[in-house]
Amino acid sequence: DAKTTQPTSMDCAEGRAANLPCNHSTISGNEYVYWYRQIHSQGPQYIIHGLKNNETNEMASLIITEDRKSSTLILPHATLRDTAVYYCIVPGGNAGGTSYGKLTFGQGTILTVHP
Amino acid sequence: NAGVTQTPKFRILKIGQSMTLQCTQDMNHNYMYWYRQDPGMGLKLIYYSVGAGITDKGEVPNGYNVSRSTTEDFPLRLELAAPSQTSVYFCASTPFVVRGRVNEQYFGPGTRLTVT
Repeated sequence: DAKTTQPTSMDCAEGRAANLPCNHSTISGNEYVYWYRQIHSQGPQYIIHGLKNNETNEMASLIITEDRKSSTLILPHATLRDTAVYYCIVPGGNAGGTSYGKLTFGQGTILTVHP
Repeated sequence: NAGVTQTPKFRILKIGQSMTLQCTQDMNHNYMYWYRQDPGMGLKLIYYSVGAGITDKGEVPNGYNVSRSTTEDFPLRLELAAPSQTSVYFCASTPFVVRGRVNEQYFGPGTRLTVT
C-alpha cells in the first residue's frame, strides 16, 4: 500500500466546513484514494473514494490534486456527530498485492467538532 | 439487511481458554476479513477469505484460526488465549475486489475481548 501522511488531530466548529488533508506522494497511477472514519468504539465506516477526479456524495467531497500526491476530504457542514478518527487509505494497485482487498489503517486524524 | 453482525459484543477470557468470535453478513459478499485494533492504534488484518472454503493469513495470524464453510459466516477461533490478544476485533465484508481497486468494506460493530 502507498504510504499516507495525515495530521494527528484537527478541530472544527460545528456548522463549518472540515477540511482533512492527506499526503500520498508515492501513489501510483492506478491506485485509488479511500477515506474511512471510525466513531468512538464503532467499526470503521466508508466515506468516499476517488482516482483522479473530484468526487462528492451525500457524506463528503474528495478533492485530489492534479499530480495525485495529496487529497483533501471535505465535510461541508460539520456536526458534533462527525467527531471521529478519519483514515486516508491508498491500497496497492496491480503491483501492491491487494487482490484480496486488504486495507491498511494507519493512525488517522482525530477530528473534534466543537459546539 | 442487517449488514455485518458480530457476537459477542464483550468477552473476558482467562489465559489459556479458547473461544470463537462469530461474524455473519447477509449481503452475499464474497470477501470477508478479520481485523484487530489495539488501543490507540489502527486496524491490523488477521485473516481474510475470498469465498466459501478459501481463507488466507493476513498480517497478524498467530494465535488465531478461521474457517469459511458458507458465504455468510466467517468465525474466528482463539485456541489458547493470551493477554496479547486483548483487543477489539472487527469483521468486515465486501462484495468483490477488482485488482487495483478495492470496493468499500462494510464493518461489524466489533467484539471487545479482554484476556486476564
